[in-house]
Order: sequence, then C-alpha cells, then structure tokens
Amino acid sequence: DQQVKQNSPSLSVQEGRISILNCDYTNSMFDYFLWYKKYPAEGPTFLISISSIKDKNEDGRFTVFLNKSAKHLSLHIVPSQPGDSAVYFCAATGPPLVFGKGTRLSVIA
Amino acid sequence: DTAVSQTPKYLVTQMGNDKSIKCEQNLGHDTMYWYKQDSKKFLKIMFSYNNKELIINETVPNRFSPKSPDKAHLNLHINSLELGDSAVYFCASSPSLGGTEQFFGPGTRLTVL
Repeated sequence: DQQVKQNSPSLSVQEGRISILNCDYTNSMFDYFLWYKKYPAEGPTFLISISSIKDKNEDGRFTVFLNKSAKHLSLHIVPSQPGDSAVYFCAATGPPLVFGKGTRLSVIA
Repeated sequence: DTAVSQTPKYLVTQMGNDKSIKCEQNLGHDTMYWYKQDSKKFLKIMFSYNNKELIINETVPNRFSPKSPDKAHLNLHINSLELGDSAVYFCASSPSLGGTEQFFGPGTRLTVL
C-alpha cells in the first residue's frame, strides 16, 4: 500500500534544461512534504520541503509545487546540471516520514 | 566530520547468525531512526527513538531489537538472520520528534547468504 508514489523510475534531461520530478500521495493527513537526493553509496540528503499550507517553495534552482486537491507535488530543477544526477525521493510526513520509491535523474552534458 | 555514521558499511553473513549495526550522530539531535531499503528500493521506517525511548516500531519482526545507550547512539541488533533481511539499512536523526528534516547515515548493506 504505497501512500507516496513516484511513477517515473527514471528521467533523462539535457544540461541547462528543466527537470521536473513528480510525486503523488494518497493520505490527506500528510502535512509536510520533502524531497531528498541520494547519490550511490551515500544516505539520502535533504533538498527542499513544503508545508501543506503553501503551494510553492523555492530555493535557488529548486522549486517544489504542491497541489493539495490533486494530492500531487513536483520538484523543478532549472537549469539542470550534471551534478544533479542522482536518485530523488519524495517523502511525506504526518509523522512518520513515508518515502516514495525514487526517480533516477540523469542530466546529460 | 561525519554527522551520522554507521558501522559497518558492508556486512555479509550466513542465515541464522546474529549481527549488529552501530549508529552514532554528533548533531546533538534528540531523535534517531532506523530505515530499511529493500530490493524494490522502498525506504521504510523501522524504528524511531526519542531521548532513548522507543516511539515507533513499524511491524518489524521481534528478531530486530534496537538499543539506544544514549541520545547519540542507536544500534540495531538482528537475531537469526534470514535471506529476506538482505537490504540496505539507514540510520537517521532529527532535532526533535516529528522533525521533518532528517539526516541520514551512509547506509549498511547487509547480505544474508
């Protein structure tokens, strides 16, 4: 029973273009959403978050959008850089943190 | 200076053995967690400790026993290892219970033969 779903296992984007990673959730009680980034052989690292009372949060090249009515959030990275290549996990909390399966982003130079 | 550290990084063992994974955080956080990432890549919480007290135990077999000697340490002991225990185990910490941003260790890859 996946409460947090990332339906795209992988995504390839050209350097300099926009990367859009999507996430859907089913539990309307979630009140905080986060994106984590993970490199191989390392633990996930926090990237950006958004409270359920907001619909957008921006931090440099990273923007997270939340559509509560659709139970959908997305992470936009612009411009994409080769160093952004990693697995991105969407997570939601009530608590505890519930993670999606991850999307592997490859930014091609 | 590593914020959340785990040892060992790799662990290969036979079915039926007992093994431990150690975790330490030097961030001064009150809450620590154990997560399991299985072969399907799902990252699922196993345990949560706050100030050395167990808060969450997410339907984990009682072969898994966490131990928190102090706020900075949360060790995971596994008895009678089974093939299905093979996974990557991540330790994490957060400033307080319900803390949304968690800091993860590098993971321990456990392989049960």
